[in-house]
Amino acid sequence: KAGVTQTPRYLIKTRGQQVTLSCSPISGHRSVSWYQQTPGQGLQFLFEYFSETQRNKGNFPGRFSGRQFSNSRSEMNVSTLELGDSALYLCASSFTGATTDTQYFGPGTRLTVL
Amino acid sequence: DAKTTQPPSMDCAEGRAANLPCNHSTISGNEYVYWYRQIHSQGPQYIIHGLKNNETNEMASLIITEDRKSSTLILPHATLRDTAVYYCIVRVGTGANNLFFGTGTRLTVIP
Repeated sequence: KAGVTQTPRYLIKTRGQQVTLSCSPISGHRSVSWYQQTPGQGLQFLFEYFSETQRNKGNFPGRFSGRQFSNSRSEMNVSTLELGDSALYLCASSFTGATTDTQYFGPGTRLTVL
Repeated sequence: DAKTTQPPSMDCAEGRAANLPCNHSTISGNEYVYWYRQIHSQGPQYIIHGLKNNETNEMASLIITEDRKSSTLILPHATLRDTAVYYCIVRVGTGANNLFFGTGTRLTVIP
């Protein structure tokens, strides 16, 4: 079974631009979570989607948004990019999103904001 | 979710067992212990999890103390490819589905 895939793997943007990242979960998984990883803050939870609805949200500004499609694929969008948004963005999927479900991570998208 | 404490770094000789400790003294009865690892700049990889009994899979063994206040992840025969940051996470069995990653233990396997 294929794992979680994320596209693109690397991205370079400039301040003020917006960016859209994509995540395809493991087949059959309906929950998709997004995380941001930076050297200073470590791995932090952004939000979780289940059945096309945002179910949980971390402590990030409204510039960070996401959505989930009927096939469980998910996208996250960051508008008005800031230098501090440079990070590894990780997507994780699980069957139902229950806290007893194991989350499996994709390889991440490395975003660099210049 | 309960807080975890892990040593910042450890070394292990190749071929020897790597024993990574985790302290979770405030763990509640319905909280699971999960272990992930992250090899440089890759996504975290799930290793193993448990509630109160010891667990073993093809990658590792998880030993949880009887009072559940600490656990040890054991990699039985460490290889150079096991060099990574290892995260111990406790998750409550209900509620929000998100993982709280601490700073982890950086394991270096030495040839």
